[in-house]
Amino acid sequence: AQTVTQSQPEMSVQEAETVTLSCTYDTSESDYYLFWYKQPPSRQMILVIRQEAYKQQNATENRFSVNFQKAAKSFSLKISDSQLGDAAMYFCAYRRPGANSKLTFGKGITLSVRP
Amino acid sequence: DAGVIQSPRHEVTEMGQEVTLRCKPISGHDYLFWYRQTMMRGLELLIYFNNNVPIDDSGMPEDRFSAKMPNASFSTLKIQPSEPRDSAVYFCASSLSRALSSYNEQFFGPGTRLTVL
Repeated sequence: AQTVTQSQPEMSVQEAETVTLSCTYDTSESDYYLFWYKQPPSRQMILVIRQEAYKQQNATENRFSVNFQKAAKSFSLKISDSQLGDAAMYFCAYRRPGANSKLTFGKGITLSVRP
Repeated sequence: DAGVIQSPRHEVTEMGQEVTLRCKPISGHDYLFWYRQTMMRGLELLIYFNNNVPIDDSGMPEDRFSAKMPNASFSTLKIQPSEPRDSAVYFCASSLSRALSSYNEQFFGPGTRLTVL
């Protein structure tokens, strides 16, 4: 079975600084997707960024980028120029290809941003 | 599009009462997923439907939980009788299998926070 581990329950970053959130996963599959979701206090699950395992290039979305290390099964999220609105819970998630595949989530990390 | 709609947003009930959570998926989507979020277990899949048919309900915790999808635009998750340990946030998500992108993004609703006293 696939598992996703986020070992840091909380992190804090100064506004405008850079922070990296860690995630590791375990799977025997070679093709899969990895995601980072943001959950603000409103509870809405917001997709931040995704990575396809067969792509070597790390995904980037504006201030958000990932460091995908397939051999190490590591998938970290880097947030540059942190903003107060980035404060939220962040979940790392795994999914096999196919519309019928469930998302497997890590336990999440609470990110606070200091003004 | 309005996105995935869930109701109610908050539900407070007493132990032993029946609870019904509702979900309207994005129009045209053929997959619907119910997830539960708790402090102890995090986010986990309860059940999912394809074209209104339940495909995998292995995540449903007990017989007290049941889910239906009578048509393509409506699904319910029912708990009868409810217990305090059912207190959680319940999310509904939908996706389209024939999406141009192969990764079939799951779009989440805002969730229902259930409190069972």
